[in-house]
Amino acid sequence: GESVGLHLPTLSVQEGDNSIINCAYSNSASDYFIWYKQESGKGPQFIIDIRSNMDKRQGQRVTVLLNKTVKHLSLQIAATQPGDSAVYFCAVPEYTDKLIFGTGTRLQVFP
Amino acid sequence: DAGVIQSPRHEVTEMGQEVTLRCKPISGHDYLFWYRQTMMRGLELLIYFNNNVPIDDSGMPEDRFSAKMPNASFSTLKIQPSEPRDSAVYFCASSPRGGEAFFGQGTRLTVV
Repeated sequence: GESVGLHLPTLSVQEGDNSIINCAYSNSASDYFIWYKQESGKGPQFIIDIRSNMDKRQGQRVTVLLNKTVKHLSLQIAATQPGDSAVYFCAVPEYTDKLIFGTGTRLQVFP
Repeated sequence: DAGVIQSPRHEVTEMGQEVTLRCKPISGHDYLFWYRQTMMRGLELLIYFNNNVPIDDSGMPEDRFSAKMPNASFSTLKIQPSEPRDSAVYFCASSPRGGEAFFGQGTRLTVV
């Protein structure tokens, strides 16, 4: 679910490898999910979204998977590049209007 | 499209002073959101507007915080008086229909 923590989970991957970032949500009625990327010193940027009537959605080098049974979604980044280094958030609209953000995962890409 | 524009980018103020943060949403977007980001609490929604009307201000931490949206192209977030614990990055975001939001670059506020 959307919890608050002192430290961001960190995922370290080697350039060229695939990255998988996970997110759990708490409301089984949620029907729309969004992934954001936040680079240092910038605001969050939309990456990809998925509706609850889908299990999978693909973009350019990114894939989002949704498992409604266990209320879990993941963001997969293929062939991770240094420019992918950022904090990644999943976000879920509450009552269709306002976005509630997860704590985020820091992705570090090393050569 | 210039995106969501926030000003100032950085603000340093003394405790007790009034601080006003400004936001210009994307033209045509009906929703405007104010978020605060800290290491301790992550991204918190403070308040949001729909068609210039405040819909939910339950995230506003105290009466010291207030927000206005006098027209569709401008919003302010005011803190009076400011305290050191208000130090954070404040983001404004807008959305055409709720849900997906487009964020500004943020205002980094430091209260000393």
